[in-house]
Amino acid sequence: QSVLTQPPSVSGAPGQRVTISCTGSTSNIGAGYDVHWYQHLPGTAPKLLTFGNNNRPSGVPDRFSGSKSGTSASLAITGLQAEDEADYYCQSYDNNLNGSVFGTGTKVTVL
Amino acid sequence: QLQLQESGPGLVKPSETLSLTCTVSGGSISSSAYSWGWIRQPPGKGLEWIVNMYYDASTHYNPSLQSRVTISVDTSKNQFSLKVRSVTAADTAEYYCARLARTVDPYFDYWGQGILVTVSS
Repeated sequence: QSVLTQPPSVSGAPGQRVTISCTGSTSNIGAGYDVHWYQHLPGTAPKLLTFGNNNRPSGVPDRFSGSKSGTSASLAITGLQAEDEADYYCQSYDNNLNGSVFGTGTKVTVL
Repeated sequence: QLQLQESGPGLVKPSETLSLTCTVSGGSISSSAYSWGWIRQPPGKGLEWIVNMYYDASTHYNPSLQSRVTISVDTSKNQFSLKVRSVTAADTAEYYCARLARTVDPYFDYWGQGILVTVSS
């Protein structure tokens, strides 16, 4: 049911850079709504990584950066570390649903 | 430090009502600066937004759940609650409460640890 599409998985070696895409439509990302990213480890609370396209909450390393263009957005993780192995979700607002929407989720594996 | 904690039964029978409460500590639920919401994650699946309740008491519900879901707030206890009526096995999920950092184009900046609710007879 998710209206934001992400790749199911991405992987990279320690130290490498990986990117996760988030594809939406003209009723959400393309309508100008911001994209926010979360990191989720099983059994824990999801953690806000970036908000408002590319702002980081206090304590989030600058290895994580977000960007947005048109109807899509991306999260880049540079200097990949073992602790980055988790599920990642994008989130935006959709004016057809009149509410929040999450991406399908991407599992990041550190090789 | 703001903390949110979900509570409620971990097992609900089909056709009954699922009731969960989120207790907020370290901040006031009545603040006009923030709003509150519920999100769930079925086993093996992604996050699904359920409902947002804004500081002015207005609400936005996921259209797929709107007919069965109600959110309410108890400011005296610094809590907000979720009810899902006529549950089926498809409502089995980890349920999270969260704070919305803004009302326009919102995002969730603080989350509870989650509570697993299983629908089964």
